[in-house]
Amino acid sequence: IAGITQAPTSQILAAGRRMTLRCTQDMRHNAMYWYRQDLGLGLRLIHYSNTAGTTGKGEVPDGYSVSRANTDDFPLTLASAVPSQTSVYFCASSELAANNEQFFGPGTRLTVL
Amino acid sequence: AQSVSQHNHHVILSEAASLELGCNYSYGGTVNLFWYVQYPGQHLQLLLKYFSGDPLVKGIKGFEAEFIKSKFSFNLRKPSVQWSDTAEYFCAGGSYQLTFGKGTKLSVIP
Repeated sequence: IAGITQAPTSQILAAGRRMTLRCTQDMRHNAMYWYRQDLGLGLRLIHYSNTAGTTGKGEVPDGYSVSRANTDDFPLTLASAVPSQTSVYFCASSELAANNEQFFGPGTRLTVL
Repeated sequence: AQSVSQHNHHVILSEAASLELGCNYSYGGTVNLFWYVQYPGQHLQLLLKYFSGDPLVKGIKGFEAEFIKSKFSFNLRKPSVQWSDTAEYFCAGGSYQLTFGKGTKLSVIP
């Protein structure tokens, strides 16, 4: 079934550790996004990529980095995790730029202790 | 900066009641508006979208939304809710990057 996969499903991480959240889509969408979802704050955009080889900063990029080496993969890296990065992370993709329908992955629940 | 605001944090309804969730946007340029639904423990799914044309948009599961340009609004409606509509609803919009509202949690009591 076409869609977006994310890994891991959940993770508990010690503060200061490095962590990469994986995201893969098989819809050949050009644009991909990373959001974090926190209670009462909705979804906030961390980073985005409008096409392979390009990335941009969203609303809350600090402490996160991304890369887009190919169309399908868009990993999110926390170089040195902090407790405030405890959240649910959703990867999304859209055929073109952000004003088109975005399709969401199942999410990764990350806890930083 | 563009913004999307949702009026209600938590709405509680009995089955068969009518639903209206408010959403206002604040940005210029091309108006693209969406309503997403997130069922408990699941990811976001698209309910409906508005790009242009008929301001009354029909989506899945009996939901509809009306774009009112003069009020900068895009309210979500359903004539008769079911217990299975219990979920969190997000309005989103943007002329380039999408901005999401903070969400409205809907609880439907059987």
